[in-house]
Amino acid sequence: GAVVSQHPSRVICKSGTSVKIECRSLDFQATTMFWYRQFPKQSLMLMATSNEGSKATYEQGVEKDKFLINHASLTLSTLTVTSAHPEDSSFYICSAIRGGETQYFGPGTRLLVL
Amino acid sequence: KQEVTQIPAALSVPEGENLVLNCSFTDSAIYNLQWFRQDPGKGLTSLLLIQSSQREQTSGRLNASLDKSSGRSTLYIAASQPGDSATYLCAVTVYNQGGKLIFGQGTELSVKP
Repeated sequence: GAVVSQHPSRVICKSGTSVKIECRSLDFQATTMFWYRQFPKQSLMLMATSNEGSKATYEQGVEKDKFLINHASLTLSTLTVTSAHPEDSSFYICSAIRGGETQYFGPGTRLLVL
Repeated sequence: KQEVTQIPAALSVPEGENLVLNCSFTDSAIYNLQWFRQDPGKGLTSLLLIQSSQREQTSGRLNASLDKSSGRSTLYIAASQPGDSATYLCAVTVYNQGGKLIFGQGTELSVKP
C-alpha cells in the first residue's frame, strides 16, 4: 500500500507553453500533498504544500502565479508550470501523506523546456 | 530556520567496505528523521525512519542512528555492494508543521566492484 504515481514521467515542451503534472495517491486518501523541485546534483527543495479543498501554501521564493497547484480531490493534486522557460527545466517530485506525518513519494517528472 | 547538511558530498569505496554517511541538522525540534535512497533520474526510496524518541533503526545491512541533542544522524552501511551505488538523502520532519520535510543535499555513493 501507499503508492503515489506521477504523470507524465517525462515532458519536453517549448518555451512559453504550460505544462501540467499530475500526482495521484493510488490506494489511499491524502489530505496533504507536497511538491518538490530538484535541480541536477542538488537536493529536493519544497515548493508548496497542497491541501485538499484549500489553497496551496507556497514556500518563500516560489511564484504562486507561475506554479499553479490544484488539489481537487483526496487522491489527486496537479502542478501546472505556466509559461515555462528553460530555467524551469528540473525534476519535479510529489509526495502524499497517509495519516500521521509519513510522506510517500512519487517517481518524479522530468521537465525539459526548450 | 532548520538546515540539514550531509557530509561527504560524494564517496567512492571498494566493494565490501563498511561505510558511514553523516547528516546534521540545526534545530533539534524534529518529529522524525528519514534516510532515503535516490537512483539517477528516479524518485525516492525510503530506507529508514527514526522517530525523535528513538536512537537507532536497523534494516538488513543498514543501521541509522539519531542523536537529537547534538543534531546528528549517521547511516551505516555494512559490507557495501555495487548495487548500493546511489545518492543517499537524509531529511527531517519539522515539528508541528504538517509533515514538512527538510532535505540535506545528499551523499553520492559509488561502490566499485
